[in-house]
Amino acid sequence: AQSVAQPEDQVNVAEGNPLTVKCTYSVSGNPYLFWYVQYPNRGLQFLLKYITGDNLVKGSYGFEAEFNKSQTSFHLKKPSALVSDSALYFCAVRDLNDYKLSFGAGTTVTVRA
Amino acid sequence: SAVISQKPSRDICQRGTSLTIQCQVDSQVTMMFWYRQQPGQSLTLIATANQGSEATYESGFVIDKFPISRPNLTFSTLTVSNMSPEDSSIYLCSVEGGVSGTYNEQFFGPGTRLTVL
Repeated sequence: AQSVAQPEDQVNVAEGNPLTVKCTYSVSGNPYLFWYVQYPNRGLQFLLKYITGDNLVKGSYGFEAEFNKSQTSFHLKKPSALVSDSALYFCAVRDLNDYKLSFGAGTTVTVRA
Repeated sequence: SAVISQKPSRDICQRGTSLTIQCQVDSQVTMMFWYRQQPGQSLTLIATANQGSEATYESGFVIDKFPISRPNLTFSTLTVSNMSPEDSSIYLCSVEGGVSGTYNEQFFGPGTRLTVL
């Protein structure tokens, strides 16, 4: 079985400050990890993924995430948040040998000007 | 990446009726998925639609309620049958696994926002 936990329902930051959205996962085998963003009345947009290799992965819109195997975490980060980053963020995991994605509950990010 | 369109984008329906949602991809893909996102909640996988075989449904979802078609490698439909207000959700299709390669990530359509009165 696989699962994802996003411990924070909401994250509020001021524009220009660092943004972190937390994610921990549980999977029986090797994980494939993903971050998606959902803007109001829109579908999910892919941000970045970790498959293998470097623990720090860079994605779209200046986002990056760090894979930490010992802590089973994959936190999303952005050094300097923008008001336009305000959206709903989902972490997702799948096992290497399974095509099914499991999503976290989502974290609403609000960046205030 | 794949570009995915869904029709309709939204609809308001009466209870007891059915709605068919279409999902069109701009390239051939091996796997297509249908998800439900209930208000304020995360995504739940309804079923996996593979061309040439019957859809595989997740626990809690049945073919009579959510029949799926996958006539070719670029198109799928999901029907929400005998609707009730509890079916009010956003329905999203996604794809993975292009015929010419492996994507790893899933790409999502814009979703269909369904309201059942």
